[in-house]
Amino acid sequence: ETGVTQSPTHLIKTRGQQVTLRCSSQSGHNTVSWYQQALGQGPQFIFQYYREEENGRGNFPPRFSGLQFPNYSSELNVNALELDDSALYLCASGENRVGYSSYEQYFGPGTRLTVT
Amino acid sequence: ELKVEQNPLFLSMQEGKNYTIYCNYSTTSDRLYWYRQDPGKSLESLFVLLSNGAVKQEGRLMASLDTKARLSTLHITAAVHDLSATYFCAVMPYDKVIFGPGTSLSVIP
Repeated sequence: ETGVTQSPTHLIKTRGQQVTLRCSSQSGHNTVSWYQQALGQGPQFIFQYYREEENGRGNFPPRFSGLQFPNYSSELNVNALELDDSALYLCASGENRVGYSSYEQYFGPGTRLTVT
Repeated sequence: ELKVEQNPLFLSMQEGKNYTIYCNYSTTSDRLYWYRQDPGKSLESLFVLLSNGAVKQEGRLMASLDTKARLSTLHITAAVHDLSATYFCAVMPYDKVIFGPGTSLSVIP
């Protein structure tokens, strides 16, 4: 067990709705990343937050947004849900240190989102 | 385009046999990761490889990295059923993380 928690575990939403997913990072971690994993595929990088600022983004539209809080918990918000947004959403936290190349991230259990 | 490929995508192997999974990537990356995922579960970190020629071993799994060839291998020795899972490699160029499509491994008696 990594110490990274996510809520809720499962969620069902209707197309067009908005959803907020939450992640609580492992103690001491200052970086959090979010991933979307469709069934049978590898995780797709959504974005990463470092010290409360977006630090990198994958090929996802602006309706995917995030926040990282001072206590290093994080949220992923998705507006105007589409059927293709149905997936497992994973967050991963890590400790990013200047000059330290060995960045390792620890994944939470994920939130399974179903859009109908 | 940043791309990570894995070969094979599906692997069925008998217990006790050896096999290698290959991970090719198209961009410079100073680190490469291997993860394991069981069905319906999250990702478990297996190895972090940081430099050319790096080799790490844990139990029946050994990972290596050749940054010049942009190739990493995950070698399985004397496979057992408990190794059945999907294995992903991932690279972290700059501020992105790119995962491969995964290799679904099934170890049969």
